[in-house]
Amino acid sequence: GAGVSQTPSNKVTEKGKYVELRCDPISGHTALYWYRQSLGQGPEFLIYFQGTGAADDSGLPNDRFFAVRPEGSVSTLKIQRTERGDSAVYLCASSPRASGSNEQFFGPGTRLTVL
Amino acid sequence: DAKTTQPPSMDCAEGRAANLPCNHSTISGNEYVYWYRQIHSQGPQYIIHGLKNNETNEMASLIITEDRKSSTLILPHATLRDTAVYYCIVRVGGTNDYKLSFGAGTTVTVRA
Repeated sequence: GAGVSQTPSNKVTEKGKYVELRCDPISGHTALYWYRQSLGQGPEFLIYFQGTGAADDSGLPNDRFFAVRPEGSVSTLKIQRTERGDSAVYLCASSPRASGSNEQFFGPGTRLTVL
Repeated sequence: DAKTTQPPSMDCAEGRAANLPCNHSTISGNEYVYWYRQIHSQGPQYIIHGLKNNETNEMASLIITEDRKSSTLILPHATLRDTAVYYCIVRVGGTNDYKLSFGAGTTVTVRA
C-alpha cells in the first residue's frame, strides 16, 4: 500500500517568507510525527499528533513554527517569517498508534532551503 | 540527550556480515532498543527492536547483552544497498514516550 507522502519534495524560499509543508500519513494511522534533520545530524523531534490534537509540541523551536491536523489525517507544518537557520529536511512519520512498541513509518521528507 | 553511543563510521565487505555495536549503559527496565537506518536522501526506515531477548527478522538480527547495557545489530550478508546511516535508539515501549531520539548514528559503507 501507499506509504507516507510529503509535498513538496523541495521548497526554496526567501528569508522572511511563510511556508507550508504537507504530510499525508498512511491511511488509518492515528499517530503522526514531525521531525527536522539538519545536514549531518540525526532527525530531531518537533511535534506529535494523536488524532487531531497535538499531544506534544515541545520540540517546536519557537512560535514561528505551527502544525495542524484538522481531520486527523493530513497534517501541515507551517513556518512563519522563515530564517536561514530553518533550512533542513522536514520529515513526517506515522504509526498505527503512539503507544506500545510500534514502528514509525517515515516519508521521504521535504527539503527546505531559505535563502 | 543521547542515550546511546555508536561508532561514527564503519566499512564492511559485500557479502560479509556487518556487526554494528551500540552502548546504552543507562537503559531502564522498560526501555526498548530500536534500530533504524537512513539511506541517502530517504527517510529513516525501521529495522528491528527488542527488549531483552535476541530478535531476528528478514532484515537483521539484534543481540542484546544480558545486562542490557549494549547491543549489536547484525546484517548477515551485507549488500551495497545496505550502505546507510544506522541509528540505535532507546525508547520506552509504554504509552507516554513516543518520540524517537536520534543520535548521530553509524555511517556504514559496504564495499564491493
